[in-house]
Amino acid sequence: EAQVTQNPRYLITVTGKKLTVTCSQNMNHEYMSWYRQDPGLGLRQIYYSMNVEVTDKGDVPEGYKVSRKEKRNFPLILESPSPNQTSLYFCASSQDRGVGNTIYFGEGSWLTVV
Amino acid sequence: GQQLNQSPQSMFIQEGEDVSMNCTSSSIFNTWLWYKQEPGEGPVLLIALYKAGELTSNGRLTAQFGITRKDSFLNISASIPSDVGIYFCAGQLWGTSYGKLTFGQGTILTVHP
Repeated sequence: EAQVTQNPRYLITVTGKKLTVTCSQNMNHEYMSWYRQDPGLGLRQIYYSMNVEVTDKGDVPEGYKVSRKEKRNFPLILESPSPNQTSLYFCASSQDRGVGNTIYFGEGSWLTVV
Repeated sequence: GQQLNQSPQSMFIQEGEDVSMNCTSSSIFNTWLWYKQEPGEGPVLLIALYKAGELTSNGRLTAQFGITRKDSFLNISASIPSDVGIYFCAGQLWGTSYGKLTFGQGTILTVHP
């Protein structure tokens, strides 16, 4: 079954404590990205990756890092989380340069920073 | 960056009623997409539109790609309780930021039986 898997699904952490949200896809997709969802703002892109070792900033990259060492994995790293990074995070992957009908989203990761 | 304005922000309707929501953009897209998100899940694609003026249906859902390329609408006919969720429009512009979707703010739909 085609899947984008994120972990953890729920996390409460403290300000400044580094954390990583993992994302893995089993579809051999080249393109992966991270979005955050906030009430009234929809989903906004944080970072994206066109292939292994190729990453670039989205609209709201501040406070985040990513890496793409393997095609299937695209972790999101918060080096020093702050309360304004409390949000719902989605990982997405796609094959054909992000053609709309082949973008798959993970189930989301709820992050609370206190 | 590009911005999408989606309206209405929320709708409370009776089962059986028709629903209409729309998105407008400050600049053009060459693909418009409509997603539905249910509690605890990621967005799921409902309809994809690739040509200005295109009108596409998916069951009780109908969406159109505006001829100016700056807007799109989604209609749901004869709503049922399982239509409840958040509906998002999203636009893509080829040639920049591969695969990036620019999302609207979402429309929260509540259907009363």
